[in-house]
Parts: sequence; structure tokens; C-alpha cells
Amino acid sequence: QSVLTQPPSVSGAPGQRVTISCAGSSSNIGAAYVVHWYQQLPGTAPKLLIYGNTNRPSGVPDRFSGSRSGTSASLAITGLQAEDEADYYCQSYDSRLSGSVFGTGTKVTVL
Amino acid sequence: QVQLQESGPGLVKPAETLSLTCSVSGGSITSYYWHWIRQPPGKGLEWIAYIYHSGSTNYNPSLKSRVTMSVDTSKNQFSLNLRSVTAADTAVYYCARGGNPFDFWGQGTLVTVSS
Repeated sequence: QSVLTQPPSVSGAPGQRVTISCAGSSSNIGAAYVVHWYQQLPGTAPKLLIYGNTNRPSGVPDRFSGSRSGTSASLAITGLQAEDEADYYCQSYDSRLSGSVFGTGTKVTVL
Repeated sequence: QVQLQESGPGLVKPAETLSLTCSVSGGSITSYYWHWIRQPPGKGLEWIAYIYHSGSTNYNPSLKSRVTMSVDTSKNQFSLNLRSVTAADTAVYYCARGGNPFDFWGQGTLVTVSS
């Protein structure tokens, strides 16, 4: 039932840069509702990674950055590290559903 | 530091009602919106519903006919009832604060629907 589409998986070698896209529509990201990103390590609850499109909570390394343009958003991880292996989810608000929506999720693998 | 803790049965029979409670510590429930989110095994996250301390609610349209949330400000708790469950409702259920964004999460509780 996800209305935000992400690639199922992305991978990269340590030190490389990877990006994760989050494609929405005119009723969510395209309507200027902010996008947030979460990191979910295996067996744990999601953790807030990026809020308000581009902001990092205290304690999140500056290797993680977010952006939004039009009806989509992106998460970039630079200087990829083994500890970054996790599932990543985008999240926004959808006016048609009148509620929060999550992306389909992306598994990041460090080669 | 705000902490959330889910509690409730880990096994529910088909057609029965799933009932969970989220206890909030380290902060008052009388501000913010409080949410339930679920994640079927091996799948993605699905927002279920939210409640405000005043009692106002909003439910995911796909679950609206079966969901009820309530809040008990005296106990700093809020609850979820999901009626007429099926195997498709088997998931880890998380409670969370906020929504824009979800800044604090419980550890999650696995609820299995099976006879």
C-alpha cells in the first residue's frame, strides 16, 4: 500500500557514495510535504536519520544527507561504512490518504 | 529521554481483536501526536493510526473500519484495538511519537495471528 517508491536495493564498496531515491506524487512530496528518512538495522526499530528534507538529528554523521525536488526525494550516503548496512525508508504525508506514508524501503549492502 | 514500550499478547486468534498498549516515560503524553505503525515479517512499514491527547484520532483508510485508538493521560498510555484480525495482520507493531517526523519509537512487539 506504499505510495512512495524506493529501489529495493543499492550497494557500494566501503568509502563509496550511494543514493536512494524516493518517488512520490502530487499528493505527497509534490505538494511540498516534508520528507523524513529512517534507518532500520536488523532486528531493531527504525531510527530517525533525516527530518524536514535535509536536517540531521543530533548524533547522525554528516555522511548522511537528504534532498527534495519536485515529486521525489533522495538520501545520499558518502564514505560508505560497513555499519551503514541496513534498510532505509522515506516517509511523508499524503493529502489523499490524510495520513503518513512510508516508502517501500531500500536495503543497503556494503560490498 | 522519552521512551516508549509496547505491551500486549503475542498471539491472537483469527477473527478476534488485537489489543496493544504503549506506555510513555520520560515525557508527558499531553503533547505531540502518538502513532501505531506495523511491519509484517520481511516487509515494509505501514502507518496505522494516530491519537492526540485530546482524544482526536486519524486512521489509515485501509484499516479504518477495524481500528480504534484510545488514550489514558492519567497513565501516560495509549492503546490500539484492531478487530477481526487475519493472518495478514501478523506483524511487528511499533508505537511512536510525532509523525512529522516520528522521532521516538518503541522497540516493537511481534503479534502473530494464528489458531
